Amino acid sequence: GDSVTQMEGPVTLSEEAFLTINCTYTATGYPSLFWYVQYPGEGLQLLLKATKADDKGSNKGFEATYRKETTSFHLEKGSVQVSDSAVYFCALSDTGTASKLTFGTGTRLQVTL
Amino acid sequence: DVKVTQSSRYLVKRTGEKVFLECVQDMDHENMFWYRQDPGLGLRLIYFSYDVKMKEKGDIPEGYSVSREKKERFSLILESASTNQTSMYLCASTTQGVTIYFGEGSWLTVV
Repeated sequence: GDSVTQMEGPVTLSEEAFLTINCTYTATGYPSLFWYVQYPGEGLQLLLKATKADDKGSNKGFEATYRKETTSFHLEKGSVQVSDSAVYFCALSDTGTASKLTFGTGTRLQVTL
Repeated sequence: DVKVTQSSRYLVKRTGEKVFLECVQDMDHENMFWYRQDPGLGLRLIYFSYDVKMKEKGDIPEGYSVSREKKERFSLILESASTNQTSMYLCASTTQGVTIYFGEGSWLTVV
């Protein structure tokens, strides 16, 4: 079945550091790929998405490129802020089943001053 | 903006109690989902529904049931709560598209 693997956390960075959170996937067909963010005490919010190979999703300074050849969707940001501290989830959607999402285990990011 | 509302943010229930978690969405979405979130395990799908009165088992349906009598409402039922069901429960909805919207979550503690 479908699966998503993302790097273990927590990731601790200083403000303005460069962020990479790795995500790889296994899926049949051509899934859509997502990054969701969860701030403390809240539900999940869509951060960015890509629906086909070579698409780049971007939002709030975060970017991720859908790489079919490496089955990856790594999240990057050039300069993190304290307000980016959250848990980040990589996910894929088998679009044949009404957008049912398969999630990775989540990566906690802690940004310090 | 799409709104997915979970009626209870924090609940404490006793072992063996019947527990209802309610979820309402206001965007006429066909598809609704219940996930549970546990540290180190991410989110796992319990049940989902394509339409009123329709339901499908997800990856971990054991110990749960669901009800969808109206399009906007999707309820998760724990028939006899157990301590291993202590978790955060997240409801989500979507239409025939790509973006899925989540509620704020319900923290359930079973003692």
